[in-house]
This record gives sequence, structure tokens and C-alpha cells, in this order.
Amino acid sequence: DVKVTQSSRYLVKRTGEKVFLECVQDMDHENMFWYRQDPGLGLRLIYFSYDVKMKEKGDIPEGYSVSREKKERFSLILESASTNQTSMYLCASSFGTGNTGELFFGEGSRLTVL
Amino acid sequence: KQEVTQIPAALSVPEGENLVLNCSFTDSAIYNLQWFRQDPGKGLTSLLLIQSSQREQTSGRLNASLDKSSGRSTLYIAASQPGDSATYLCAVRGGDSGYALNFGKGTSLLVTP
Repeated sequence: DVKVTQSSRYLVKRTGEKVFLECVQDMDHENMFWYRQDPGLGLRLIYFSYDVKMKEKGDIPEGYSVSREKKERFSLILESASTNQTSMYLCASSFGTGNTGELFFGEGSRLTVL
Repeated sequence: KQEVTQIPAALSVPEGENLVLNCSFTDSAIYNLQWFRQDPGKGLTSLLLIQSSQREQTSGRLNASLDKSSGRSTLYIAASQPGDSATYLCAVRGGDSGYALNFGKGTSLLVTP
């Protein structure tokens, strides 16, 4: 079975702190994604990556950056956390260089910024 | 931009009923459509993936259909059980979204014993 593992299920941070959310997948997938999920707004794409060291902005990249140094790992970075970044963050991965791969999600990381 | 709508937003049914969840999308030039289940506080679990060339997919008591020309998909759940209670999300890849999926806001399903 595909496994997408997010390093932290729950985090509490202070405004202005730098936050790292880590995601690892064990199926050699080319594509990896970061979404955030908020009540009433649904899932929104922050960034995605289709190869090592490659990244593309999603719909809401402001205030975030990403890093993909190895194929299996995709990190989301909040350079200076703000209260409006309190959310559930979901990492996902899919196989293939085309657009047909099934998407698999991790368990999510719930971030609270005080 | 691709818009994905799910109706109804919430649904409550007694155990044993067959039910249909609806998903519509505005741009029919899609690569595929995927249905997910999400339990409270958890991540998304993939249920079914339908490629653009397919009309339906089945897994156990679940059947998903796709009509690209009308921009619609349905998820049929047969003989519902209390364990089916969850939020069901539809997501579409294609149009101008490229690699990423555009999600609907989900249907919250409650199956009562």
C-alpha cells in the first residue's frame, strides 16, 4: 500500500516563528502536493512538485515556500507564521509524469498559530 | 478556472438505503476524476479514480460514473452502513489545473442505525 507520512499530526507555534512541515512518501512517486483545508473553503493547493528540485505555485502560495531535495520528501515552510495560517495541512503524492495518476494523501498536520 | 460543486452539502439516511452523491464541474476537458472519503480530523482516503476515457468504476459497494459532456459524476453507495458516515469529496484534474486536483467542498454523510 502507498504510504504518505506527515511528520507531525498537531503543532502549536507562535506568530513569527519559522515552521517546517515534512512529508515523506514510500512509493517512488514523481508528483507531490501541499494543500490546506479550512471550513467553508475546502482544499486549496499551496504548492506542488513534479520532480526533485522542481516546484510550482498553486492557488495560494503567499507566505509559504517548499523544498524538494529528494524524491521521497517534500517540505512546506512557513517563513514567519501568522494566525491566518492556522489550518489543516495535507500532503499528497501521485505516480507518473502525466496527469492520470491516482492521488494519495497523508493523515494531515493540524497547525495552530497563536 | 475549473469549479467543482457537490450537492447536497449534507445527507442523513437510515442504514440499508442506497444513495447517490453528486458532483458537477464546469470545464469538461478533464484528465480524470477522483472520489475520496474523509473521516473527522483525518486525511483523505482514495475511493475511486475514473480516467477521462472511462464511464464508470466499481469497488465493492461503491460505483462511480462519469459523464464528461455534461460535466457530472455520481457516487453510488449500495446498502449503506453506519461505518460509511464520513465526508465524501470529489476532485477533478484537468482544464487549466494541470497536475493538481480541484476539489469540491464535499458531502457530509450520516448513516443512522
